[in-house]
Amino acid sequence: AQTVTQSQPEMSVQEAETVTLSCTYDTSESDYYLFWYKQPPSRQMILVIRQEAYKQQNATENRFSVNFQKAAKSFSLKISDSQLGDAAMYFCAYRAIQGAQKLVFGQGTRLTINP
Amino acid sequence: DVKVTQSSRYLVKRTGEKVFLECVQDMDHENMFWYRQDPGLGLRLIYFSYDVKMKEKGDIPEGYSVSREKKERFSLILESASTNQTSMYLCASRDRGTTTEAFFGQGTRLTVV
Repeated sequence: AQTVTQSQPEMSVQEAETVTLSCTYDTSESDYYLFWYKQPPSRQMILVIRQEAYKQQNATENRFSVNFQKAAKSFSLKISDSQLGDAAMYFCAYRAIQGAQKLVFGQGTRLTINP
Repeated sequence: DVKVTQSSRYLVKRTGEKVFLECVQDMDHENMFWYRQDPGLGLRLIYFSYDVKMKEKGDIPEGYSVSREKKERFSLILESASTNQTSMYLCASRDRGTTTEAFFGQGTRLTVV
């Protein structure tokens, strides 16, 4: 079974600084998707960024980028120029391409932005 | 915009009650999911459905059942609520296909007393 691990329950960063959230996963599949979701206090889960495993290039969305290391099964999220609105729970998630295609989530990292 | 609507944001029920959590999506998605969110555990899949009247157990189905009589609606049922089912429940839907993303409702925070 696939598993996703986020080893940082909480992180904090000064506004305008850069922070990196860690995620590792375990799978025997060769092709899959990885995601970072943001859950602000409103509880609405928002997709931040997505990475296809067959793509070597790291995904980027504005201030958000990932460092995808397939061999190491590592998928970290870098947030540049942190803003107060980035404060939220961040979840790393895995989805297989074959089979049930359910999302498997990590434990989450609570990110605090200090003004 | 895709909209996934959960019927209640907050719910308080008594131990032993039968509880229904409703989820409706408006984008004709085939796949629908129920997750439970607990601190330190992330989101865990309870049940999912890939078509009307079809359902599959997730990772923690014990104590729960589901119903999908119409494509747009996916209900989670707690047959006899217990205090250990106090949690946040999140519904999600996704179109069929490998590249599509999941959309989530705003969650129902259920307290069983």
